[in-house]
Amino acid sequence: AQSVSQHNHHVILSEAASLELGCNYSYGGTVNLFWYVQYPGQHLQLLLKYFSGDPLVKGIKGFEAEFIKSKFSFNLRKPSVQWSDTAEYFCAVNAGTSYDKVIFGPGTSLSVIP
Amino acid sequence: GAVVSQHPSWVICKSGTSVKIECRSLDFQATTMFWYRQFPKQSLMLMATSNEGSKATYEQGVEKDKFLINHASLTLSTLTVTSAHPEDSSFYICSAAVNTEAFFGQGTRLTVV
Repeated sequence: AQSVSQHNHHVILSEAASLELGCNYSYGGTVNLFWYVQYPGQHLQLLLKYFSGDPLVKGIKGFEAEFIKSKFSFNLRKPSVQWSDTAEYFCAVNAGTSYDKVIFGPGTSLSVIP
Repeated sequence: GAVVSQHPSWVICKSGTSVKIECRSLDFQATTMFWYRQFPKQSLMLMATSNEGSKATYEQGVEKDKFLINHASLTLSTLTVTSAHPEDSSFYICSAAVNTEAFFGQGTRLTVV
């Protein structure tokens, strides 16, 4: 069965600091990988996704993620965070061969201090 | 992107009553939709896969008789929480896919009193 783990439960950063959120998945086949963000009181939004091709994926709001197949990882990065990045971040995966259910990681809560 | 709409956005019901939540794909057809629940400060947990024209597939530990799913058309899936209890209070979210990308509804906040 597919599963997703995220390295950090809660991250606290000062504005302008760099961010890296770890994500690992367990699934032997082809996968699609996603990062979603949930701002306080709002619904899920897609930050970025990886289906195939360039393993370095750029998303909205300056976020990027790198797929490292050998490590089963899909870490999220941003060079300089802002207070408005305070939110819950979810890594997610589904099987790549056809649409399948999306399995979410436990989430990482990011707090950015002005 | 594609739009998935849920209704209602929030609902309060008395313990023992049933509540129906609708999930609609507004600009595309979805043979498969998914229902999730999210407890406060926790991740989304998949409850079931809703299949148009056939029975839903439930995840382990989810009571199918309590969470009734109907997917009668290619644009509508409904989740009915039967005989709701306070422990069923949660945030319920549906999703539908277009070309392997999932689009999520805005969620329904259910409070059972």
